[in-house]
Amino acid sequence: KQEVTQIPAALSVPEGENLVLNCSFTDSAIYNLQWFRQDPGKGLTSLLLIQSSQREQTSGRLNASLDKSSGRSTLYIAASQPGDSATYLCSLVGAGGTSYGKLTFGQGTILTVHP
Amino acid sequence: DAGVIQSPRHEVTEMGQEVTLRCKPISGHDYLFWYRQTMMRGLELLIYFNNNVPIDDSGMPEDRFSAKMPNASFSTLKIQPSEPRDSAVYFCASSLRGWNIQYFGAGTRLSVL
Repeated sequence: KQEVTQIPAALSVPEGENLVLNCSFTDSAIYNLQWFRQDPGKGLTSLLLIQSSQREQTSGRLNASLDKSSGRSTLYIAASQPGDSATYLCSLVGAGGTSYGKLTFGQGTILTVHP
Repeated sequence: DAGVIQSPRHEVTEMGQEVTLRCKPISGHDYLFWYRQTMMRGLELLIYFNNNVPIDDSGMPEDRFSAKMPNASFSTLKIQPSEPRDSAVYFCASSLRGWNIQYFGAGTRLSVL
C-alpha cells in the first residue's frame, strides 16, 4: 500500500526566505505527483503537476522536483511572502500493483510566513 | 467558468438523518471526484466517476454512503443514516481526461450531532 509522508508537519519562516517542503512515498510506480495548496476553510488549489516521466515543473516562484528512484519530491518556494501561508499537500496516483489508479494524499505541511 | 460548485456549504444534522451533498463540476470535465477530509485521517478519495460512470468506489467507507452522477453536470453524495463519525469536510473535484489537474470545490462542512 502506498504511503505518503510530508516533512515537516509545520514550518514557520520570516518573509523573504527560500524554503523547501518534502514529500516521500513508498511505491515508486506512480502515474503523476501533484502539489496543492489549501487555505483555511477553502478547497484545494493545484500548484504543480509532475508526470511520471518528468523531473521537475516550475511556476513563478515555485519549483517542484520528482525523484522516483528515491521516492521523493520537493516543493521549493523562493522569496516567501506572507500570502504563501497555507497548508501544502502532495498527492500521487499509483501506476502499479495494488496502488494502480489509487490516489493518495500526504498529511500536509502547514506553512506560516511572518512579516 | 464558475468553477466546481458544491452545496450546501455547511450542514448540521442529527444522527440517523439522511444527508445529501451536491456538486456541479466544471463544464466539459469528464472526471468527478468525491473526497472527505478529517483531522485524523487527512484527505481521502471516496469515489470517482468518468463520463458519469462510477469507476472506483473502494474508498466509500460503508454501505451508508452512496454517490450518483445522473448527468455530466451534477453529482450527489448521500449518507443514510448519518452518524457523528461522518462529521468532516466533503470536497468535490473535477478534471479533464483523468489524472490531470483537479479543480476543487469549496467543500461542504458536515456536522452530525
